Amino acid sequence: RKEVEQDPGPFNVPEGATVAFNCTYSNSASQSFFWYRQDCRKEPKLLMSVYSSGNEDGRFTAQLNRASQYISLLIRDSKLSDSATYLCAVNIYNQGGKLIFGQGTELSVKP
Amino acid sequence: EPEVTQTPSHQVTQMGQEVILRCVPISNHLYFYWYRQILGQKVEFLVSFYNNEISEKSEIFDDQFSVERPDGSNFTLKIRSTKLEDSAMYFCASSPPRGSGANVLTFGAGSRLTVL
Repeated sequence: RKEVEQDPGPFNVPEGATVAFNCTYSNSASQSFFWYRQDCRKEPKLLMSVYSSGNEDGRFTAQLNRASQYISLLIRDSKLSDSATYLCAVNIYNQGGKLIFGQGTELSVKP
Repeated sequence: EPEVTQTPSHQVTQMGQEVILRCVPISNHLYFYWYRQILGQKVEFLVSFYNNEISEKSEIFDDQFSVERPDGSNFTLKIRSTKLEDSAMYFCASSPPRGSGANVLTFGAGSRLTVL
């Protein structure tokens, strides 16, 4: 089983749509969880950290389910500028700040 | 906003040559990392560095790779004898001291390595 696994993409959605990405992780001792965004051939950029209570930042909502070892990202009212690859990242307990990334899910928002 | 800077942005080299990729992490960060991303594949961890020594390395980080912090600002990745399969984007990252967002990594723009 892969350490971090994401929905295979790509997701092609119209502007204004709501889209959800899912991610599962295999190590139950994982401590910290993140969503990064990566534009084509660019570096990953932090979108948001994911907390146990769930958190929201504008149109973006992240959820964590530790029992199921599952993380999600919801994007509401998607914009053309949301087109990118979304990377789920997990920090494994007691391993400093090392992040393990999923393979990414590509999102394409069309007019 | 503070950023991680990497040089060169693109390097082309012949197989068997040595390559050094350079990074300047964010100044108050204490943890430093190298990741790589082969075209079309996921971002893979190579090595983490703290307190002037390697804290963890992956299976990819074999004897051909080394890291160094030669002065107070630079953090380098050396590949001694490049192979075709080393062609990838190499990302440097850094994170703050423990207890203050230590798990949040900031990435540099990357160095694209092409091995011919």
